[in-house]
Amino acid sequence: DQQVKQNSPSLSVQEGRISILNCDYTNSMFDYFLWYKKYPAEGPTFLISISSIKDKNEDGRFTVFLNKSAKHLSLHIVPSQPGDSAVYFCAAIRSYNTDKLIFGTGTRLQVFP
Amino acid sequence: EAGVVQSPRYKIIEKKQPVAFWCNPISGHNTLYWYLQNLGQGPELLIRYENEEAVDDSQLPKDRFSAERLKGVDSTLKIQPAELGDSAVYLCASSQGQEQYFGPGTRLTVT
Repeated sequence: DQQVKQNSPSLSVQEGRISILNCDYTNSMFDYFLWYKKYPAEGPTFLISISSIKDKNEDGRFTVFLNKSAKHLSLHIVPSQPGDSAVYFCAAIRSYNTDKLIFGTGTRLQVFP
Repeated sequence: EAGVVQSPRYKIIEKKQPVAFWCNPISGHNTLYWYLQNLGQGPELLIRYENEEAVDDSQLPKDRFSAERLKGVDSTLKIQPAELGDSAVYLCASSQGQEQYFGPGTRLTVT
């Protein structure tokens, strides 16, 4: 049973435009959500997170939106840059330090010039 | 600050052979994780340590996998004997309360 789902395996966006990566979850007990970015032959790198008590968190070009009623979150990257080309993983956890991260299957983003 | 270090980066072995992976977490990070990542999937937790204590090993296949974190710093993950289905990337991560920091992983190929 996949508790965290990323239904789009890939996304292609032109440089300068907005990239929107989506993530759905099934467990209403999740209270913290994270996005990780992964380049080939490297481990995932933390990008941005959001607590379930918020509906938006922004960090520079990256914004994460959380819709708890829909059990949906999205990562917006604007403007997209070629260096953003990577695999993006959505992850969720019930309570930090007492539970484990549950990862989605990832979305490969390609930003072309 | 040095990141999470893992070795080896790549390992090719024949099935039924043993294999071990080593991880050195970020200095001061008490929590250490081993993850398994299959192709096209997200990482899945195998075991989590708080200092030297394994606090969550429910996903570790204990018939062939073992792990240790002596002295609460470095950790070793072992598979004996390896099976074809163990081919994957093994990731180590560490944390000190907040976000987890991942190492580059060890790509294991079992032939």
